[in-house]
Amino acid sequence: QVQLQESGPGLVKPSETLSLTCTVSGGSISTYYWSWIRQPPGKGLEWIGYIYYSGSTKYNPSLQSRVTGSLDTSKNQFSLKLSSVTAADTAVYYCARLNYYDGSGGTGYYMDVWGKGTTVTVSS
Amino acid sequence: SNELTQPPSVSVSPGQTASITCSGDKLGDKYACWYQQKPGQSPVLVIYQDSERPSGIPERFSGSNSGNTATLTISGTQTMDEADYYCQAWDSSTVVFGTGTKVTVL
Repeated sequence: QVQLQESGPGLVKPSETLSLTCTVSGGSISTYYWSWIRQPPGKGLEWIGYIYYSGSTKYNPSLQSRVTGSLDTSKNQFSLKLSSVTAADTAVYYCARLNYYDGSGGTGYYMDVWGKGTTVTVSS
Repeated sequence: SNELTQPPSVSVSPGQTASITCSGDKLGDKYACWYQQKPGQSPVLVIYQDSERPSGIPERFSGSNSGNTATLTISGTQTMDEADYYCQAWDSSTVVFGTGTKVTVL
């Protein structure tokens, strides 16, 4: 079955750019949407953004000015860059497959496969 | 508004029914889903499309959505169901999570 694995540095300095990669195994990245989510220590889930296999993206308005997503179909990977990080960006970062269902009431989106998460700490 | 509000905590005795609400503007006009997250683990999808269960999710998990409120119901709650639960919806092409509810089984 499809599995996702996040990778990237666990420590990033303030004002620098956080870069994470999610590797998809057991299936092709060339379908579905692919999403990033984060969870600060002791807090709830925050959606960061998603990228479609075509390359189109959508980001959380609160992070839009600092986020860039990309994908590499040859490596079956998608990536996240978050610039100008501060301590508030310290969190567990997850990647997930964003699946969808077309019903009579419209289309519903849900994340049915998640990575194990990677902890990123912003500190000097 | 695209905010989804959940009660911070719900307590339930083993074997009883737990209901977790998720409130948002005209949420019933959208599809809602629910995730379970245990400490130190990734979230797991337990309900999608308001009331559909993914393969492997026990039948004691059910969902509904109407008006401004989506509800996750756990019937015959077990100690293994103790976890945080998050609702999620799709609004204006963005993902919106609920504030989260800690379910305590005691």
